[in-house]
Amino acid sequence: DQQVKQNSPSLSVQEGRISILNCDYTNSMFDYFLWYKKYPAEGPTFLISISSIKDKNEDGRFTVFLNKSAKHLSLHIVPSQPGDSAVYFCAGTQGGSEKLVFGKGTKLTVNP
Amino acid sequence: DAGITQSPRHKVTETGTPVTLRCHQTENHRYMYWYRQDPGHGLRLIHYSYGVKDTDKGEVSDGYSVSRSKTEDFLLTLESATSSQTSVYFCAIRSGTTNQAATNEQFFGPGTRLTVL
Repeated sequence: DQQVKQNSPSLSVQEGRISILNCDYTNSMFDYFLWYKKYPAEGPTFLISISSIKDKNEDGRFTVFLNKSAKHLSLHIVPSQPGDSAVYFCAGTQGGSEKLVFGKGTKLTVNP
Repeated sequence: DAGITQSPRHKVTETGTPVTLRCHQTENHRYMYWYRQDPGHGLRLIHYSYGVKDTDKGEVSDGYSVSRSKTEDFLLTLESATSSQTSVYFCAIRSGTTNQAATNEQFFGPGTRLTVL
């Protein structure tokens, strides 16, 4: 049972345009969501997070939106830059749990 | 940088041999995790530790064991490696501070690429 789903394995956008990465979840007990970014041959790095009591969190060029009724979240990158090319993982977690549950990732390519 | 190192960074071994991967952290974090990353599967939790000698299983623990005799070291052992265990292995930590406990934000090491022939 896949609790966190990233249905698009890859996404390609032009530099300067918006990148939208999507994530769906099935576990209604999740109360916190995180996005990680991973470059080849490196470990994932934390990017941005959102609590389930919010519907939006913004950090510079990165904004995460949460739609609890649809069990859907999205990461917006505006404007996209070539350095944003990486694999992005969505993760959910439940308060009191020590675990993160990750999606399979979406590979973003930003073309100059 | 959460002061996490993994060793070795690359290893090639043969089926049936034992393999131990080491994760070392320098900042006295309580929680440590082992994940594997495979194409089409994302990051999957193997085992985790919530203190010295306190460990628990994750999603894909079969064929793996762990030990944590010191706060700074978390070892992952493949008792008899199989080709299906060819993967990239990541260690992660979570400090257990109030904010991180609420968010479960984890910091990852650089990874170990293991190939089992």
